[in-house]
Amino acid sequence: DIQMTQSPSSLSASVGDRVTITCRASQGIRNDLGWYQQKPGKAPKRLIYAASSLQSGVPSRFSGSGSGTEFTLTISSLQPEDFATYYCLQHSSYPRTFGQGTKVEIK
Amino acid sequence: EVQLVESGGGLVQPGGSLRLSCSASGFTFSSFAIHWVRQAPGKGLEYVSGISSDGGSTYYADSVKGRFTISRDNSKNTLYLQMSSLRGEDTAVYYCVKGGEWLRSNKDPFDPWGQGTLVTVSS
Repeated sequence: DIQMTQSPSSLSASVGDRVTITCRASQGIRNDLGWYQQKPGKAPKRLIYAASSLQSGVPSRFSGSGSGTEFTLTISSLQPEDFATYYCLQHSSYPRTFGQGTKVEIK
Repeated sequence: EVQLVESGGGLVQPGGSLRLSCSASGFTFSSFAIHWVRQAPGKGLEYVSGISSDGGSTYYADSVKGRFTISRDNSKNTLYLQMSSLRGEDTAVYYCVKGGEWLRSNKDPFDPWGQGTLVTVSS
């Protein structure tokens, strides 16, 4: 199985801050990675697909980068509605595996 | 608009069985693989199972293999998850998620997700 190591597990940030979340894959997955945002009591929502492509309707302050084993989700200027938990997902092989999640909290 | 709506969750005793359903609309259901993902209370996301567009190919996580069965009825635009020999660790919200055209392909949108249905395994 491919392990996805996501860091940090949580962070505190202020509105307007730049936030970076990282996922490392235990083996190369090309760009077969998505980033998801989940708010309490809600289903995950895809933000980024193919590692760096922005989902339609998602604000441009979200961006993704990386290929192979190292991937990054960046929020350029954190907004109040961005406080949530973020997950990466690899879909290069089975079983599909998720990172452990990063909870973004208000400082 | 693509929509997935899960149902069938509830309280079940350890060792019991339950069948979840996922009703799809807004896309050609018979042309896409579909997945089940679960989330235990306060925990992260765990991949459970997937099925090809025609139902002929399936995948199961080791944690559910031999206990869960995924199936679909393309005439009803509905996905199922038959769960048996349920354990406390199966307690979770279960989501269905739209996949790609091919189950085994790495080109898998894994989007959108249904709203989820809660399964609680407890005596």
